[in-house]
Amino acid sequence: GAVVSQHPSRVICKSGTSVKIECRSLDFQATTMFWYRQFPKQSLMLMATSNEGSKATYEQGVEKDKFLINHASLTLSTLTVTSAHPEDSSFYICSAFRRQGAQHEQYFGPGTRLTVT
Amino acid sequence: GDSVTQMEGPVTLSEEAFLTINCTYTATGYPSLFWYVQYPGEGLQLLLKATKADDKGSNKGFEATYRKETTSFHLEKGSVQVSDSAVYFCALDNYGQNFVFGPGTRLSVLP
Repeated sequence: GAVVSQHPSRVICKSGTSVKIECRSLDFQATTMFWYRQFPKQSLMLMATSNEGSKATYEQGVEKDKFLINHASLTLSTLTVTSAHPEDSSFYICSAFRRQGAQHEQYFGPGTRLTVT
Repeated sequence: GDSVTQMEGPVTLSEEAFLTINCTYTATGYPSLFWYVQYPGEGLQLLLKATKADDKGSNKGFEATYRKETTSFHLEKGSVQVSDSAVYFCALDNYGQNFVFGPGTRLSVLP
């Protein structure tokens, strides 16, 4: 099956610094990728939709200047958490949308656990 | 908007017990329905899916049937194992837009 990777899998950073998380579709091209956030013992919440070659679409309540998303190629989307604070500590999961004829499916990455100290 | 509701957890069962996790949805049109499993500290794994009414998804002894008349997609397994302990998410995908996840149900299976 299709594979989506995320890097890094875990990252610890200090308050005020920025962290970049990469999401790659390894064996297919994804014009659309999604970024989710998961707080402990909670469900996934969609943060933004990343479209290759255009600006990301952010969900209500998500600060676009804090969570910068770049989808510069058909296999890579990046999420940069700028000026990170402890409340940004969370599990971030990306997914890549694959369309094959009339079929489509989303493939999820393994997630990145961010801890801001 | 679209939404997914799951039974409240945590669910605690003894090994070899029968499992049912209820899931109902609200959506326009005919979404695809999914069950994902998340083991501690890991990402999501697709467990099974169904793309149209009356379809039954099955995998690793788990199964769920897409019931349009009751807008449900309940997850069942006849005999759970300790290794099935995880959080289970029901989700829908409406025409390739973003997924809508349920809140998740934590399952603990005791030996």
